[in-house]
Amino acid sequence: EAQVTQNPRYLITVTGKKLTVTCSQNMNHEYMSWYRQDPGLGLRQIYYSMNVEVTDKGDVPEGYKVSRKEKRNFPLILESPSPNQTSLYFCASSLFAGAGGANVLTFGAGSRLTVL
Amino acid sequence: AQKVTQAQTEISVVEKEDVTLDCVYETRDTTYYLFWYKQPPSGELVFLIRRNSFDEQNEISGRYSWNFQKSTSSFNFTITASQVVDSAVYFCALSEAWRGGSQGNLIFGKGTKLSVKP
Repeated sequence: EAQVTQNPRYLITVTGKKLTVTCSQNMNHEYMSWYRQDPGLGLRQIYYSMNVEVTDKGDVPEGYKVSRKEKRNFPLILESPSPNQTSLYFCASSLFAGAGGANVLTFGAGSRLTVL
Repeated sequence: AQKVTQAQTEISVVEKEDVTLDCVYETRDTTYYLFWYKQPPSGELVFLIRRNSFDEQNEISGRYSWNFQKSTSSFNFTITASQVVDSAVYFCALSEAWRGGSQGNLIFGKGTKLSVKP
C-alpha cells in the first residue's frame, strides 16, 4: 500500500531530551515536507526537501533539524525539545518537487508530541 | 504576500442541511493551485480537490461542490445534504508556481471545524 509512515505516533518527553520523528514513504516521491498543527493556527511548514540532500526551511524551522540522505526517509530532529514544540506533526510527500505548484501531498497519520 | 483565510472557525449544522465553507486567498502569482483537505476526528489529512488558477469551472463530486471565483479570490466548498460522517476539520490551501524558490509548498488556512448533528 502506498503510504507515508511516521513514528512514533505518540510521544511524551521532557525538555532537552533529543528526539527524532521518523518519516518514510514508499512511493518514490521526490518532495517531502514536515508540518506542525496547532489549535487555531492550522498547519505550518517546518522544513521541506526537494530531493536527496536538498532541504530548506519552511515558515517555522526554529528548534528543528532535518536530513534527506535517502529518497524515502525524511526524519525530523528536535535537538533540545521545549514545551512550545508540543504539537501534532505531519510528514507529507508528493511525486515531483515543484511541478509548478500542482503537488498533491500525501500525508502521514501524524505524530502527537508532548514536551513537559 | 500569500495567505489563506478561513473566517469560519466552527460551524454546526443538523444532518441534511446544506453548508458552505468559505476560503479566501491572497497571492501575487498568476499561476497557482488551490486545494481542500479534510481532517476527520481520526486525525489523518485527506485530499479532496485541487484546482488551478486557469480553470474557473465549478466542480461537483457527489454531495460536494466547489465554487472558484478569481474575481473575489475565493474557493468555497459546499456540502449538500450533510451527514454525520462529514464532521471534520476542513482546510483550504494555496500553492504558488513560484514561492521564493520553493515551488509547490502549500500554505494552509487555519481550518473550519464542521460538526454535523443527527
